[in-house]
Amino acid sequence: NAGVTQTPKFQVLKTGQSMTLQCAQDMNHNSMYWYRQDPGMGLRLIYYSASEGTTDKGEVPNGYNVSRLNKREFSLRLESAAPSQTSVYFCASSSMGTTTYEQYFGPGTRLTVT
Amino acid sequence: AQSVTQLDSQVPVFEEAPVELRCNYSSSVSVYLFWYVQYPNQGLQLLLKYLSGSTLVESINGFEAEFNKSQTSFHLRKPSVHISDTAEYFCAVSYTGGFKTIFGAGTRLFVKA
Repeated sequence: NAGVTQTPKFQVLKTGQSMTLQCAQDMNHNSMYWYRQDPGMGLRLIYYSASEGTTDKGEVPNGYNVSRLNKREFSLRLESAAPSQTSVYFCASSSMGTTTYEQYFGPGTRLTVT
Repeated sequence: AQSVTQLDSQVPVFEEAPVELRCNYSSSVSVYLFWYVQYPNQGLQLLLKYLSGSTLVESINGFEAEFNKSQTSFHLRKPSVHISDTAEYFCAVSYTGGFKTIFGAGTRLFVKA
């Protein structure tokens, strides 16, 4: 049982390049999330998927797109990277009843855009 | 707007001393409350949670938190900290009927020998 896995662990991009961050969970969770973590700002939600087949914008969606490929996988795409997207990106998943329960996090992807 | 405020960005403390990390959230009828811990270069891990029932909840490594509805607070405490408790701690809240969790900005606990 691997929990939540993310690839890659590290990435350096030049401004304007594109890339996709991959996330998978093996806990049969309905909901999945992408966050970015910046110093002093905690975690900010980029996009989330409440269930398979649905995606919604979070607090900071500009410059990103997502795909909920199936129940296990949720990818985050940067179409044209900018230095402001330098951050640590975390994927998370959770089960959900009427309210979101605790989330399980991946190890993170450290992205630098030069 | 829904929000979570962690009142201290950094808390330095000596080993074996008590510590309290403070957390307040914007009011709502029904909430679920969480504390997560993040060790260096790792993802967040759940430390403890309040869903319902007893307002005092405990973790397996000696932390406890108390849900105070009138004060809209969920402060985290430990009577005696260890060097290994050095980490960043995040308070988080989910509101009934919502799909999202709101995180605080984090408190960095630094335990000194």
